[in-house]
Amino acid sequence: QLQLQESGPGLVKPSETLSLTCIVSGISIRGSSYYWGWIRQPPGKGLEWIGNIYYTGSTYYNPSLKSRVTVSVDTSKNQFSLKVTSVTAADTALYYCASVKEGDTLFDPWGQGTLVTVSS
Amino acid sequence: SYVLTQPPSVSVAPGQTARIICGGNDIGSKSVHWYQQKPGQAPVLVVSYDDKRPSGIPERFSGSNSGDTATLTISRVDAGDEADYYCQVWVRTSDYYVFGTGTKVTVL
Repeated sequence: QLQLQESGPGLVKPSETLSLTCIVSGISIRGSSYYWGWIRQPPGKGLEWIGNIYYTGSTYYNPSLKSRVTVSVDTSKNQFSLKVTSVTAADTALYYCASVKEGDTLFDPWGQGTLVTVSS
Repeated sequence: SYVLTQPPSVSVAPGQTARIICGGNDIGSKSVHWYQQKPGQAPVLVVSYDDKRPSGIPERFSGSNSGDTATLTISRVDAGDEADYYCQVWVRTSDYYVFGTGTKVTVL
């Protein structure tokens, strides 16, 4: 059964880089027919897609975040990662990783989410 | 950019039907997915491709999509259906995923 689990620091200082990792279990990322994605949710607000990556390294980003976001994949560790540079308080959110099966356009399943607070 | 608009809240009495709309320009030409998010939990897919129910989702959940509006319908609502609901589409031209603004369903 495919499962995802986010990990990373819960507190990041303004202007620094937010880094999160999503560990994938139940399937090998290498050669899998899945895209791996990140979605965030500011406290009390809605969902915002950040970006997706295929195991080959092809990436797709939300245009509104593209200049500050990098999604990468490490097939040897069966995980993928998110980096957001120059963070501000507006980047405070619950960050979810999720999967998109190739040929599909929906996110399923999702990780449980991890809260990242941007504060000095 | 493509925008999906949902009413902030919907209130419904137990046993009645809740209808949650998702408005978007020509949304009927896109595939719409619906997620349920309960407090403190990750979103869960409840309807896919306009009107398909994933395994394990009760038949009380159904969907439709036409023109500029997609609709999630929850029949025979009970307290366990209280949650936030989000619609979502993929914009093919930009390879871009968009979520609706979200609707909080309250069971009276």
